[in-house]
Amino acid sequence: AQSVTQPDIHITVSEGASLELRCNYSYGATPYLFWYVQSPGQGLQLLLKYFSGDTLVQGIKGFEAEFKRSQSSFNLRKPSVHWSDAAEYFCAVKGSNYKLTFGKGTLLTVNP
Amino acid sequence: DTAVSQTPKYLVTQMGNDKSIKCEQNLGHDTMYWYKQDSKKFLKIMFSYNNKELIINETVPNRFSPKSPDKAHLNLHINSLELGDSAVYFCASSPLAGGLTDTQYFGPGTRLTVL
Repeated sequence: AQSVTQPDIHITVSEGASLELRCNYSYGATPYLFWYVQSPGQGLQLLLKYFSGDTLVQGIKGFEAEFKRSQSSFNLRKPSVHWSDAAEYFCAVKGSNYKLTFGKGTLLTVNP
Repeated sequence: DTAVSQTPKYLVTQMGNDKSIKCEQNLGHDTMYWYKQDSKKFLKIMFSYNNKELIINETVPNRFSPKSPDKAHLNLHINSLELGDSAVYFCASSPLAGGLTDTQYFGPGTRLTVL
């Protein structure tokens, strides 16, 4: 069965700084990878997904993620963080059982 | 227009009660899901329905019973509520039959508190 590890429970960055949130997955075959964001008191919103092809995928709100098979990683990046990006970020993987397996999330705090 | 909606948003109840949470999607999707998010924010799938047919049924106590009257609705009924049922419950939907490339869209969540 697949699994996802988000090594950072909490990250704090200053507004305008760059951001990278780490995600490592475990799955034997080609993974199907997703990043979701959960703003306080809200549901989960899909930021981006990777199925195949170009390993650098663009998402909404200026986010991008890079799939690196050799490192089993799918890190999320943003060049300049805005205060409104403060939220919980979840990486997820889908494997052959078709179930979406989530990591435990990374809480992003943005300092003014 | 809200794509995936849930009611109620908050639910506070006593142990032993029976309660229901409703979910509706207006996206025309074929598959719907229920997830539980615990106090540590960990999200785990509970059930999935495709066109009113149960396709995923995780190891969930049988006090939890999903009901899908049509493909736009998936309700969750919980009998004999326990303290450990306190969580945020998310409904989601996806366009296809839940396959590998099928993308899930989530509702706003229902925060259930059992006293």
